[in-house]
Amino acid sequence: ETGVTQSPTHLIKTRGQQVTLRCSSQSGHNTVSWYQQALGQGPQFIFQYYREEENGRGNFPPRFSGLQFPNYSSELNVNALELDDSALYLCASSLQGQGYGYTFGSGTRLTVV
Amino acid sequence: AQRVTQPEKLLSVFKGAPVELKCNYSYSGSPELFWYVQYSRQRLQLLLRHISRESIKGFTADLNKGETSFHLKKPFAQEEDSAMYYCALRTGGGNKLTFGTGTQLKVEL
Repeated sequence: ETGVTQSPTHLIKTRGQQVTLRCSSQSGHNTVSWYQQALGQGPQFIFQYYREEENGRGNFPPRFSGLQFPNYSSELNVNALELDDSALYLCASSLQGQGYGYTFGSGTRLTVV
Repeated sequence: AQRVTQPEKLLSVFKGAPVELKCNYSYSGSPELFWYVQYSRQRLQLLLRHISRESIKGFTADLNKGETSFHLKKPFAQEEDSAMYYCALRTGGGNKLTFGTGTQLKVEL
């Protein structure tokens, strides 16, 4: 059974640029959620994808967008990067309706300069 | 809106001492509460959930709806318990979790 893998592990971008983060979900999981974890804070829900559609969104602006592919992998895209976007971005996969069964990835550390 | 509060950023105890990590939540409906743990250099993982009423690695947590609390307890701390602990709230039957800010538990010898 493979776990959740995220790429890249670290990334440095300039303010105003765009970034794409990738996530491969655990085998057998059909739902992917993305979280942002700022330094010293708990993870904050960005959005969730199920059946290739957004299925719930947290308090994040539209410049945060995502995709889910037929193989359940997912991308998180952030446009017009701001300094405050610097954080650890976590991907978590699960089976729809079984939210407790989250498997988290190790995260992508994004630094915006 | 729902909220999870973990008042302690750091909790330091001696090995063999009892541990209690505090968690309070704010939610008007029927909550589902979880504890997640992150050991050093490892990814976030589920420790336990209130629905299952189980004990994992000696840890237990009871949901107290009157006090809106879900404190994590262990009678005798072990060195390997040192980690970051997050309390999380799931609402509305969806997959969204609201996390607290976490408590770093340090077990000293």
